[in-house]
Amino acid sequence: KAGVTQTPRYLIKTRGQQVTLSCSPISGHRSVSWYQQTPGQGLQFLFEYFSETQRNKGNFPGRFSGRQFSNSRSEMNVSTLELGDSALYLCASSLDSNEQFFGPGTRLTVL
Amino acid sequence: KNQVEQSPQSLIILEGKNCTLQCNYTVSPFSNLRWYKQDTGRGPVSLTIMTFSENTKSNGRYTATLDADTKQSSLHITASQLSDSASYICVVRGGGNKLTFGTGTQLKVEL
Repeated sequence: KAGVTQTPRYLIKTRGQQVTLSCSPISGHRSVSWYQQTPGQGLQFLFEYFSETQRNKGNFPGRFSGRQFSNSRSEMNVSTLELGDSALYLCASSLDSNEQFFGPGTRLTVL
Repeated sequence: KNQVEQSPQSLIILEGKNCTLQCNYTVSPFSNLRWYKQDTGRGPVSLTIMTFSENTKSNGRYTATLDADTKQSSLHITASQLSDSASYICVVRGGGNKLTFGTGTQLKVEL
């Protein structure tokens, strides 16, 4: 089976812009979670989608949003980018809400 | 408050040597504890998962232990290799399937 894929792998944006990141889960997995990872902060949970519905949400501002499509693919959107949004954004998929399989991440740099 | 603390924050060892990474948690109720290895610029990959009743679990040169009474886990790496250089993250699953992440231990193996 193919693993979790994320696109793009690298992205450079400027403050105030918006960005959309994409995640394709492992075939058959219906749960997709998004995480932000910065040095010193570790992995911070953004949100989880299951069957096109947001099931859990972390403590991030409303500028961070997401959605999931009927084929389980998920997108994450960040509007009005800030310098502090520079991070590695990781997507993880799971079959049974137990073991999560992570994608390679999207490295976002905000200038 | 649910917390996962890992120590040391960083570690440098010589190739061939052993090392032990620590994870202390306050998550309650406890479901399971997982150790991940994350190579630079990549997503985390699961090494082991420990449930309440398991004391020790091995995966090649990686051995994880769990003491549910003291809420401590350790990851022992035997005969380290250069490819072991990575961040090791401890993740505890608690009630409601909620995950709590440690900030990781950065391991560097040198010649």
